[in-house]
Amino acid sequence: DSGVTQTPKHLITATGQRVTLRCSPRSGDLSVYWYQQSLDQGLQFLIQYYNGEERAKGNILERFSAQQFPDLHSELNLSSLELGDSALYFCASSVESGDYGYTFGSGTRLTVV
Amino acid sequence: GQQVMQIPQYQHVQEGEDFTTYCNSSTTLSNIQWYKQRPGGHPVFLIQLVKSGEVKKQKRLTFQFGEAKKNSSLHITATQTTDVGTYFCAGPRGGKLIFGQGTELSVKP
Repeated sequence: DSGVTQTPKHLITATGQRVTLRCSPRSGDLSVYWYQQSLDQGLQFLIQYYNGEERAKGNILERFSAQQFPDLHSELNLSSLELGDSALYFCASSVESGDYGYTFGSGTRLTVV
Repeated sequence: GQQVMQIPQYQHVQEGEDFTTYCNSSTTLSNIQWYKQRPGGHPVFLIQLVKSGEVKKQKRLTFQFGEAKKNSSLHITATQTTDVGTYFCAGPRGGKLIFGQGTELSVKP
């Protein structure tokens, strides 16, 4: 157990639907990062939150949004799902700057059918 | 923008052989991190290198950071089946980590 909890582990949904992925960071970590991993794209950075505020944004689609709540858990919302959104979605957390490494959760495998 | 390139993409070795993966950045890095992802697992932080020319060892793994802080390597001596997985390097950019594409290592017993 890495200390970062992601739910659900697996999600199968139809095109056009909306899903919410949840992440609880490791105790004491204020930064949360979301990454998408697909076979041909590697680990792609989506978005970062630090202590409730958005810090950095990657190539995140407009159909995707995220937030970090006062208790520091984070949610990634994916809407109008397309087949190409099928991927592993990882959440990671770190101390302030991430200079001492990220701790990844076990991921949510999303399959869009 | 900053890119982190990693080669090779795949490496198949016989158990006991050595393995090296290389990482190159288009820009100077303040530090470089290495992660390992086992098949079906999640990336796990291995190490961070900060200083120019730094070399760090973890048992059979040797990590190097180039003098110009734009390249890095991971060398595994005498691979074992437990070394199987994908090794990623990652460099910071704007407070987030940009990951290389990874090198997938398979080890034949």
